[in-house]
Amino acid sequence: DAKTTQPTSMDCAEGRAANLPCNHSTISGNEYVYWYRQIHSQGPQYIIHGLKNNETNEMASLIITEDRKSSTLILPHATLRDTAVYYCIVRSQTGTASKLTFGTGTRLQVTL
Amino acid sequence: NAGVTQTPKFQVLKTGQSMTLQCAQDMNHNSMYWYRQDPGMGLRLIYYSASEGTTDKGEVPNGYNVSRLNKREFSLRLESAAPSQTSVYFCASSFEVGGDYGYTFGSGTRLTVV
Repeated sequence: DAKTTQPTSMDCAEGRAANLPCNHSTISGNEYVYWYRQIHSQGPQYIIHGLKNNETNEMASLIITEDRKSSTLILPHATLRDTAVYYCIVRSQTGTASKLTFGTGTRLQVTL
Repeated sequence: NAGVTQTPKFQVLKTGQSMTLQCAQDMNHNSMYWYRQDPGMGLRLIYYSASEGTTDKGEVPNGYNVSRLNKREFSLRLESAAPSQTSVYFCASSFEVGGDYGYTFGSGTRLTVV
């Protein structure tokens, strides 16, 4: 399973863009990158995912490097409610089963 | 549309007791998963079921059993609870469209074993 490396913690001022990096140097060509976040001890919340192209939705943007060995999640205008642990995950596929393997994530603290 | 529903939300067990955590999804997803999360750590996969009638071990299966009762329900059983199984348990389900997957998580069951 491809592993991901993220900074343990980051701070961001409210209203500014939060850029969360992730390294996944062992990713395979058909493996997707997923981003989830977890607020307090709630269930993980889906943010965005992608394969090779940059993706954008109402929550965030995902920038994947051309070699696919790293990616960046961008929250364009962070608010206090975005304070959470953010997980970068590479989905692994075994036969008909797919699995998400979580690391320890990045704890994002948004401040006034 | 409730998504993924887990019961109970909280449970306290004595060492050696048994219990079953229930999970149900109403999204017609084929695959279902059980994770545990210990304080300060990410989620770790216990068991998963790629489709109705199949189950496979994940990263930390010891001390647990699962049953995929039907397409909707996937239960996790602790036969003889141990303090090391104190954790928050999350159930998830996923669908596939053309090799792309979407995952939905439940809100968790907080289990304490004393």
